Amino acid sequence: EPEVTQTPSHQVTQMGQEVILRCVPISNHLYFYWYRQILGQKVEFLVSFYNNEISEKSEIFDDQFSVERPDGSNFTLKIRSTKLEDSAMYFCASSEDGREGCEQYFGPGTRLTVT
Amino acid sequence: AQTVTQSQPEMSVQEAETVTLSCTYDTSENNYYLFWYKQPPSRQMILVIRQEAYKQQNATENRFSVNFQKAAKSFSLKISDSQLGDTAMYFCAFMKPWTGNQFYFGTGTSLTVIP
Repeated sequence: EPEVTQTPSHQVTQMGQEVILRCVPISNHLYFYWYRQILGQKVEFLVSFYNNEISEKSEIFDDQFSVERPDGSNFTLKIRSTKLEDSAMYFCASSEDGREGCEQYFGPGTRLTVT
Repeated sequence: AQTVTQSQPEMSVQEAETVTLSCTYDTSENNYYLFWYKQPPSRQMILVIRQEAYKQQNATENRFSVNFQKAAKSFSLKISDSQLGDTAMYFCAFMKPWTGNQFYFGTGTSLTVIP
């Protein structure tokens, strides 16, 4: 069964550095999402993406964050200048389309540690 | 803002027994979607069951069923005939239409099935 994949599984970076988290959504899916989960807290929505544009973003998704679909398969989340509070598990998800209530398929996550 | 509350951080159940995980939510919306996702250890979240708020009938998927009480804003998950493979973190999630299909998650309930 097709799955969403994410790389790397764990990324350690120093404060102020740029990081790029990578995701490969399910191949025929059209909508893509990023969520994050700070340790011990809820999974929080960051951004949704469709047709090479951001559809929605949360207040967490400030100018330090950006998303891109650089080719036909990858979907990336870039954090320009990481802060300690960016340490979290980042989940990518995709859905077949944007119908109301459409199921999202999640990747296994990338654990980002900012030191 | 939408909030989702899972008041049981951890639960356990004997194999073959039935367990109910609770979830409450707060919203002023009339139309929305509710989900239960399961995250086995070191694996990605997968959809367990989905409920549309405008449908009065409770959703069921094999051994999994929900008790959806719209007026009480309650959405509990019942797992019948628990199996060892049901051991996982269970997340309740709310989705509001026309918001880019963003999820609002609860904090999760860690369920352990005891042989």
